[in-house]
Amino acid sequence: SQQGEEDPQALSIQEGENATMNCSYKTSINNLQWYRQNSGRGLVHLILIRSNEREKHSGRLRVTLDTSKKSSSLLITASRAADTASYFCATVSQGAQKLVFGQGTRLTINP
Amino acid sequence: ETGVTQTPRHLVMGMTNKKSLKCEQHLGHNAMYWYKQSAKKPLELMFVYSLEERVENNSVPSRFSPECPNSSHLFLHLHTLQPEDSALYLCASSQDSGWRQSNEQFFGPGTRLTVL
Repeated sequence: SQQGEEDPQALSIQEGENATMNCSYKTSINNLQWYRQNSGRGLVHLILIRSNEREKHSGRLRVTLDTSKKSSSLLITASRAADTASYFCATVSQGAQKLVFGQGTRLTINP
Repeated sequence: ETGVTQTPRHLVMGMTNKKSLKCEQHLGHNAMYWYKQSAKKPLELMFVYSLEERVENNSVPSRFSPECPNSSHLFLHLHTLQPEDSALYLCASSQDSGWRQSNEQFFGPGTRLTVL
């Protein structure tokens, strides 16, 4: 069954606001990754957080991981129109050799 | 530019055609992947190659045939496809495929395939 599930499926906010997306998963993981995909293009890796980490920052991105709740969140601060894209979480389960992606959150930033 | 290129970017083919998708990575990675992305479905892993050996085949129909002649190149040979095979096909690479590694994946731009 699908490992990562993002919430919400779609999010529309005004430019300058913060955007928060959530991801839940089912099994113990080695790490969790977030990717961005612009329409019809390939995915771009944003950030990786390991199972022993709780929070990670990269520029305007902040990722948290709660292994007790099997959930992660991606926060984009001070959003820009260029942040409009689909965002996916992907997990690597312990013992597995592959990433399993969720269905993604479609983020729209309105100017 | 992620260092992973895919050709062609768009492909339209009939159900009786034979075509091939090509992927090349310039990152010195050891693992390469094929994914299928259909509308309203999660990204589906099709094949994984590690050091030119296939390590994963996710019950993909035999009308899809991968080939990895060396660690930099990956092909997906297509024959007698069905209209439901229309999708975006993405290639990716990573340093290693093992779960102990920080296997961040680098994706190509994809091939948009339409089967008539």
